[in-house]
Amino acid sequence: NAGVTQTPKFQVLKTGQSMTLQCAQDMNHEYMSWYRQDPGMGLRLIHYSVGAGITDQGEVPNGYNVSRSTTEDFPLRLLSAAPSQTSVYFCASSYSKGNQPQHFGDGTRLSIL
Amino acid sequence: RKEVEQDPGPFNVPEGATVAFNCTYSNSASQSFFWYRQDCRKEPKLLMSVYSSGNEDGRFTAQLNRASQYISLLIRDSKLSDSATYLCVVNRRSGGYQKVTFGTGTKLQVIP
Repeated sequence: NAGVTQTPKFQVLKTGQSMTLQCAQDMNHEYMSWYRQDPGMGLRLIHYSVGAGITDQGEVPNGYNVSRSTTEDFPLRLLSAAPSQTSVYFCASSYSKGNQPQHFGDGTRLSIL
Repeated sequence: RKEVEQDPGPFNVPEGATVAFNCTYSNSASQSFFWYRQDCRKEPKLLMSVYSSGNEDGRFTAQLNRASQYISLLIRDSKLSDSATYLCVVNRRSGGYQKVTFGTGTKLQVIP
């Protein structure tokens, strides 16, 4: 079972570059979300989606874009990378109704130089 | 005030000890509760759901106190492999969908 798959696992970017972090799930989950985790900060929600075509901002959305064209995929785009976006990024998914637990991908470690 | 608060620790306990963590939440409309475990540089993984009546899974016991708005996790007979960060998660309904809030985690170090 693949579960939640994130690519790439590691990435180094230069300031100003753009890139897309990929997230795919094969559990037919409606709810998908992106978090960043920095030392001492815990998980912070960037963007989330409750279904195809529906996205909304989380706690720290600035500098990131998302789209949800299919149930399976929820890519996160960094528009113009900044050193402050150096972090570990986790994608998660769950069923939308009924208060279900989140299933996480194994993360993308991103460094911005 | 944060919606979900945890003592960051670290809790340093000897092998075989019993240790308990608390997590408080501020929104009384919160509906479901979970404990996750996160190992260093790994993704969070679901440890257990927390039910109103309390629930047990082997050496782990979770409790919910709605009146005081906290959940707890008790680990008995601690093992070295229990060393990790434990995240409290609270779900509530918002606009017809679930809103998920993570605590910042409590670090546990089990010492030989």
